[in-house]
Amino acid sequence: GAVVSQHPSWVICKSGTSVKIECRSLDFQATTMFWYRQFPKQSLMLMATSNEGSKATYEQGVEKDKFLINHASLTLSTLTVTSAHPEDSSFYICSARAGGGDEKLFFGSGTQLSVL
Amino acid sequence: RKEVEQDPGPFNVPEGATVAFNCTYSNSASQSFFWYRQDCRKEPKLLMSVYSSGNEDGRFTAQLNRASQYISLLIRDSKLSDSATYLCVVRYTGFQKLVFGTGTRLLVSP
Repeated sequence: GAVVSQHPSWVICKSGTSVKIECRSLDFQATTMFWYRQFPKQSLMLMATSNEGSKATYEQGVEKDKFLINHASLTLSTLTVTSAHPEDSSFYICSARAGGGDEKLFFGSGTQLSVL
Repeated sequence: RKEVEQDPGPFNVPEGATVAFNCTYSNSASQSFFWYRQDCRKEPKLLMSVYSSGNEDGRFTAQLNRASQYISLLIRDSKLSDSATYLCVVRYTGFQKLVFGTGTRLLVSP
């Protein structure tokens, strides 16, 4: 089946630093990428939707200047948490859709971010 | 009110038990419905889609009641490996994004 590779699996960083999370579709072209965030004991909350070559569409309440999303190619999307703070500590996960009428979504394995 | 609501549990059941989870959704424009399973700090994995006619996959049975905006999942003959969080998920008409419930945690004990 289709695979989405997400890296890193976990990262610990100091407050104020930036962290980049990558998601790569290994055997299909990801037309659309969704980025979710999940706090402990809460549901996955959609942060933004990005289509290859276009600017990402952010959900209400998500700061686009803080969470930079790049989807420059059909196989790679990145989420950069800029100037991370402890309240950004969360589980971040991407989900890719191949497009062309294919409704299936494929999830990355997630990234646990801890900001000290 | 949350768009997708679930009882967070946990549901503690012995092996072999039958357990049922419920879910309600608030947006009548919801088009597609799913149950996902998520293990701790892992990605969600699709368990099954949910159809109005009801559908079954082995020990798992899903039901959808559009009039009541209610979805259910029944697990028969629970296994230890069924211990996980079960997420009720909906997708709205015309949109591709998924809306997740908070999940119901299941603990199956020997």
